[in-house]
Amino acid sequence: SQQGEEDPQALSIQEGENATMNCSYKTSINNLQWYRQNSGRGLVHLILIRSNEREKHSGRLRVTLDTSKKSSSLLITASRAADTASYFCATVYSGAGSYQLTFGKGTKLSVIP
Amino acid sequence: NAGVMQNPRHLVRRRGQEARLRCSPMKGHSHVYWYRQLPEEGLKFMVYLQKENIIDESGMPKERFSAEFPKEGPSILRIQQVVRGDSAAYFCASSPGQGDAYGYTFGSGTRLTVV
Repeated sequence: SQQGEEDPQALSIQEGENATMNCSYKTSINNLQWYRQNSGRGLVHLILIRSNEREKHSGRLRVTLDTSKKSSSLLITASRAADTASYFCATVYSGAGSYQLTFGKGTKLSVIP
Repeated sequence: NAGVMQNPRHLVRRRGQEARLRCSPMKGHSHVYWYRQLPEEGLKFMVYLQKENIIDESGMPKERFSAEFPKEGPSILRIQQVVRGDSAAYFCASSPGQGDAYGYTFGSGTRLTVV
């Protein structure tokens, strides 16, 4: 299976702390994307990092990509209760079918006020 | 710009009935993708369509499922003779070109419950 995996499956932190989620994948990618899903809702695109990039920032989000280890991390700094959600990484693989997003099972983040 | 619109938000069907899920892409987007999410799982690719063409349906079950994206109107995902295992959230995404270069916008999904 090409499916990526997030780690940890669940994470509980206090408001104001930083949250780090990791994602591993299996084959060469064009890009990797992170999405947030609030309970029972749709997906919100957070950030996209291309295979030739190593780090990207957007507001309180920082994403890193290590193609040699086939892994990525999402860091949310100074977390807020509103950050409580499930976070998914999704990869776009190189080659045929390069439009498909392959999602992991997600990390469920709980930020306690 | 209303974004990707999916309806209905919730759909309840009895076993054996048909389910029709609709997706209107963002204005200017001609590429549509359907994904299915089972409880506590990530999304799984089902089908990729452009106007009047199915580009890739490799993720769709071979029987009972079909998709279309007509010249006019929304994209439709149709599930015939639904079974309990079809209960899931179905998400549609759209992009202005082939997605990996342009990024995707997702709708809020249709939650199908088969009773």
